Amino acid sequence: QSALTQPPSASGSPGQSVTISCTGTSSDVGGYNYVSWYQQHPGKAPKFMIYEVSKRPSGVPDRFSGSKSGNTASLTVSGLQAEDEADYFCSSYADSNNLLFGGGTKLTVL
Amino acid sequence: QVQLVQSGAEVKKPGASVKVSCKASGYTFTDYYMHWVRQAPGQGLEWMGIINPSAGSTNYAQKFQGRVTMTRDTSTSTVYMELSSLRSEDTAVYYCANSGGLGKEAVAFWGQGTLVTVSS
Repeated sequence: QSALTQPPSASGSPGQSVTISCTGTSSDVGGYNYVSWYQQHPGKAPKFMIYEVSKRPSGVPDRFSGSKSGNTASLTVSGLQAEDEADYFCSSYADSNNLLFGGGTKLTVL
Repeated sequence: QVQLVQSGAEVKKPGASVKVSCKASGYTFTDYYMHWVRQAPGQGLEWMGIINPSAGSTNYAQKFQGRVTMTRDTSTSTVYMELSSLRSEDTAVYYCANSGGLGKEAVAFWGQGTLVTVSS
């Protein structure tokens, strides 16, 4: 199975909103409501930000939100802050008990 | 609080095997699934497989079938990931991460990572 498709980069100015997409197929993103998002700062382990498409774990700011339409999931970061600059990865449960990750998107805060 | 502490960096020659450990604390070890995910230098995340620490059952990504073995020791709350027939492309940071009480598709709490370098 192929990795999920994410844009390599995204950017926005402080205070703005930015949306990152994650495209799969009906065998993964489109077939299950088990999309998660992770934030990774350089040299650090990933941090769990969104699960089951749109749910936030405790401690994650509500500036981070998730959604899904068909085979594409999205992460929106509202009210961009400097500390949001990081790599973002999506993942999805897939057929045959697999888990797929996206290639990652580097978010730059201008 | 939940903590996953992994073993230290390893340097291996091509063809060798490596075994990485991940010791869990701060929760009931058998309650959460454990994933292994790797990240090659400058690259994205790659899921390797999952182990159910309660039953010991495993599910491996097709890419690693036959080369990876995940085990657990409930007496020490530790999971292990062994990768054999190493090649240079296996150079990566290897992470363990548990499901945090959510479904097994959730990769919630992550260890600090273990760098495995494969070089002749």
